[in-house]
Amino acid sequence: KNEVEQSPQNLTAQEGEFITINCSYSVGISALHWLQQHPGGGIVSLFMLSSGKKKHGRLIATINIQEKHSSLHITASHPRDSAVYICAVRILVRGLIFGTGTRLQVFP
Amino acid sequence: GAGVSQTPSNKVTEKGKYVELRCDPISGHTALYWYRQSLGQGPEFLIYFQGTGAADDSGLPNDRFFAVRPEGSVSTLKIQRTERGDSAVYLCASSLNTGNEQFFGPGTRLTVL
Repeated sequence: KNEVEQSPQNLTAQEGEFITINCSYSVGISALHWLQQHPGGGIVSLFMLSSGKKKHGRLIATINIQEKHSSLHITASHPRDSAVYICAVRILVRGLIFGTGTRLQVFP
Repeated sequence: GAGVSQTPSNKVTEKGKYVELRCDPISGHTALYWYRQSLGQGPEFLIYFQGTGAADDSGLPNDRFFAVRPEGSVSTLKIQRTERGDSAVYLCASSLNTGNEQFFGPGTRLTVL
């Protein structure tokens, strides 16, 4: 079993829909990251969380430390949001442990 | 300002050859990370530096892989006797300090024929 599990693996949506991507992890962490990767492109950090909730534009990330669960929400989705969204956790002072990603496609 | 840069962007080599991949972190960032991403997979951790020293190299798959950061800035990932299974995108990231947000480079796509 992977230490970081994401769901769904693939997601399609119509423009304007509200989107939720989930991440569960099985280890104690010091922080959780949400990352975005476009096809053929580099990785962009969206959020780093250790508790509560963060918002940036149309993106919202929440984390529940007790339940070892985080969600990434996209409001009013747009085709340019199409990308792979990756959840990654940090354990103490190690490098990140990554989930396998959620491939999102938003159609006009 | 300049982000993390990696060179080369693409590297094609033959099985058994030696390769070096370079990472230039954001100026002033003390922590530097190397990850590897195989096709269709999420990235996996290889090694991380705090300053000049390797703070955690537990992700290096075997002793053919080695990385250095002699002056606490640029880092080089070295792979000896390359194998076809080493083919992947090698990602570098840096952060201001350990535990801060990580900024990723564009990656080096390594293909071993």
